Amino acid sequence: DAKTTQPTSMDCAEGRAANLPCNHSTISGNEYVYWYRQIHSQGPQYIIHGLKNNETNEMASLIITEDRKSSTLILPHATLRDTAVYYCIVRALSNFGNEKLTFGTGTRLTIIP
Amino acid sequence: EAGVVQSPRYKIIEKKQPVAFWCNPISGHNTLYWYRQNLGQGPELLIRYENEEAVDDSQLPKDRFSAERLKGVDSTLKIQPAELGDSAVYLCASSSSVLSYEQYFGPGTRLTVT
Repeated sequence: DAKTTQPTSMDCAEGRAANLPCNHSTISGNEYVYWYRQIHSQGPQYIIHGLKNNETNEMASLIITEDRKSSTLILPHATLRDTAVYYCIVRALSNFGNEKLTFGTGTRLTIIP
Repeated sequence: EAGVVQSPRYKIIEKKQPVAFWCNPISGHNTLYWYRQNLGQGPELLIRYENEEAVDDSQLPKDRFSAERLKGVDSTLKIQPAELGDSAVYLCASSSSVLSYEQYFGPGTRLTVT
């Protein structure tokens, strides 16, 4: 069972910041928060991940609350190419390596021109 | 650098027929994954390979599904015989190791069983 809860769908105006929320209230101390996205007819694409600190890369920013029970993925200036399904995933890293990615149903983000 | 290559991209078969999907991972990636994605759902892991060894096949329906990665590079996933419920997108992914935080996915093979 997926360990995260996301809204089914969201819209965002082109050029504005897209803020995608994710609840993971049962997250464990050794579990990271990952975000992937899947553009239509393509395989999922890694975006970003974090443990407890906020993270930023060339694609997005990840804000994790202090209690780690929720997070927000931010696309700072959304473009039409950001229209996709966004998956929030919690995933542990143990001495044996990463646990498998368990995808939920994600958030379908539509960027409006 | 070439990404994960999968073929065919689309396959239509009649039920009870066999079908095979092929995946070539990114060069040097030791870990290979096969996922199945049903319509409207996220991908679900079927099997994970570390080099040529299947280290997690707990979700693979072993009565009709089989997979191999003989030389630890490319891989084949087979269904025999196919059922209507096997219609889905079959995705292959690879990563440099099980410790890698990023998996790279191919475009998938869309299977339709009629």
